[in-house]
Amino acid sequence: AQSVTQLDSQVPVFEEAPVELRCNYSSSVSVYLFWYVQYPNQGLQLLLKYLSGSTLVKGINGFEAEFNKSQTSFHLRKPSVHISDTAEYFCAVSGGLTGGGNKLTFGTGTQLKVEL
Amino acid sequence: DAGITQSPRHKVTETGTPVTLRCHQTENHRYMYWYRQDPGHGLRLIHYSYGVKDTDKGEVSDGYSVSRSKTEDFLLTLESATSSQTSVYFCAISESTDLRGAQHFGDGTRLSIL
Repeated sequence: AQSVTQLDSQVPVFEEAPVELRCNYSSSVSVYLFWYVQYPNQGLQLLLKYLSGSTLVKGINGFEAEFNKSQTSFHLRKPSVHISDTAEYFCAVSGGLTGGGNKLTFGTGTQLKVEL
Repeated sequence: DAGITQSPRHKVTETGTPVTLRCHQTENHRYMYWYRQDPGHGLRLIHYSYGVKDTDKGEVSDGYSVSRSKTEDFLLTLESATSSQTSVYFCAISESTDLRGAQHFGDGTRLSIL
């Protein structure tokens, strides 16, 4: 069974400061990890994904994440945030389903609030 | 953006009434999913489909049924709505047949059951 823990429900940060959003996972199968962003009244948009290879993954909007197998972590980072990054961020791990496809198990989300 | 349309976008209804939510895709993807989003729970899988007429249960399927008669449409039905089903419902699609596939989400349906 898979599970995802996002320890921080809210992260306030000033504009142009760096930010790290934490994600820890548990998985009994091969690990495939995703970060999604949700802006108000919208669906989830894929930021980046780790499938294999380099442990540093770059995504859209200047975000990156590092896969750490020994720490079972997949933390999201941005060196300098903008007010437009204010949103909720979800970490997810992929698992199998009968018939194919994949079940995403999500964390409870981290609300990033960027302040001027 | 992935071509996913959810309807209605908002609905208010009363306990005990039937409710059907529709997800329509223009991407011809094989896999379609219904999730619900609740504070403190993230998103949880209700039902999914891996082809026309092929559906299965997710982790929170009680009280919900689904149907997929065409590749592009995936319907979620609450046979007799309860207040505990007040939530935001998201449809997602994926073309990948393995665990590496990313899912693409619609904009959601906000459902309130009074």
